[in-house]
Amino acid sequence: DAGVIQSPRHEVTEMGQEVTLRCKPISGHNSLFWYRQTMMRGLELLIYFNNNVPIDDSGMPEDRFSAKMPNASFSTLKIQPSEPRDSAVYFCASSTGGLLLGYTFGSGTRLTVV
Amino acid sequence: GQQLNQSPQSMFIQEGEDVSMNCTSSSIFNTWLWYKQDPGEGPVLLIALYKAGELTSNGRLTAQFGTTRKDSFLNISASIPSDVGIYFCAVRLSGTYKYIFGTGTRLKVLA
Repeated sequence: DAGVIQSPRHEVTEMGQEVTLRCKPISGHNSLFWYRQTMMRGLELLIYFNNNVPIDDSGMPEDRFSAKMPNASFSTLKIQPSEPRDSAVYFCASSTGGLLLGYTFGSGTRLTVV
Repeated sequence: GQQLNQSPQSMFIQEGEDVSMNCTSSSIFNTWLWYKQDPGEGPVLLIALYKAGELTSNGRLTAQFGTTRKDSFLNISASIPSDVGIYFCAVRLSGTYKYIFGTGTRLKVLA
């Protein structure tokens, strides 16, 4: 089992550019979550999908953020245009939908917007 | 919104010492989890608690689900350098797939 795979591990971009973060969940997991981690706000849930359908996007900070899950093995989180305050570590996590078991997290993408 | 407060925020301990940390909430939750995050990695699940009063162990780690269902404790016995990291508690929002995470306890072990 390869775990949750995120790419890239690090991204540095200029303000105003589009950024796309990618996630491959664990095979067989039907729920996928995007989190953002900052020193100030800790781990915040941005959006989650169940069976590829977005269930709750109330944590998405603004319209500049969008997420898709075109199939069971791939999801993207896009920021357009990016701003310096978007700098954070973005985690993708997946679970079997057995709600009591928590999630398996990826290693994260560290985004720096300059 | 709901908030989970963890204490202490950070701690330095000597290798071999026991560690205690806790997590409290103003609301009742029925599932409590403890995660550890190593530097540069995502959080990894350590222990899951499902029943008020439950005490569960995983090696040198022991966690308890408080009887009021508003708190949980994590103990680490005989700490070692690889225990360094941030420990998070998390609770599931009833009726949803969503877990919210505590503010974290940063552990540093002095060899």
